Amino acid sequence: DIVMTQSPDSLAVSLGERATINCKSSQTILYSSSNKNYLGWYQQKPGQPPKLLISWASARESGVPDRFSGSGSGTDFTLTISSLQAEDVAVYYCQQYYNAPLTFGGGTKVEIK
Amino acid sequence: QVQLQESGPGLVKPSETLSLTCTVSGQSISNNYWSWIRQPPGKGLEWVAYTSAGGSINYNPALRSRVTISVDTSKNQVSLRVDSVTAADTAVYYCARRDNIMTPFDSWGQGTLVTVSS
Repeated sequence: DIVMTQSPDSLAVSLGERATINCKSSQTILYSSSNKNYLGWYQQKPGQPPKLLISWASARESGVPDRFSGSGSGTDFTLTISSLQAEDVAVYYCQQYYNAPLTFGGGTKVEIK
Repeated sequence: QVQLQESGPGLVKPSETLSLTCTVSGQSISNNYWSWIRQPPGKGLEWVAYTSAGGSINYNPALRSRVTISVDTSKNQVSLRVDSVTAADTAVYYCARRDNIMTPFDSWGQGTLVTVSS
């Protein structure tokens, strides 16, 4: 199984400041034939299902604000919120879809400082 | 726009069988891949199983011996059965869609809470 490890478990950031979440996979999730990283980022607000923000490690979904960006390749990935807004308070998960069993990181809770 | 709606019993007794249904509207389930994902209260996400109308099925090895996923194309529904449940199966169960076998979960249902308790 591919283990996804997120850090930190939680972080508190002032409004307008940058938030950075890290995700590491136990093996590469870069598929050489497509040169794509099979990594997604999700946002989950209280009482709601997760929402896909970013696919292929760096491709924002339609309608996702451009303050959200994803980067990284191979085994190390980052989700950055460039200027934290109040509505960004949530738990963020990374997930690999390179192979089954599909696995998620443990989640990072983002709060306002 | 696709919509997914989970339904289930809410409360199940230990050692019994949990049965859930995901009703898909806005598109045919004959396309795409359909998964069940669960989330124990206050905890993270765990993928349970996926299926496609074409017959592709895969289970989380940790649950494989107790779980069955199926598709009913006539009703546009995806179902999940979990046998011999324990308190550890208490969770919100989500139904989710993937465009194909190697893409992320792009649409989710609202989830249904299942509590295992006597």
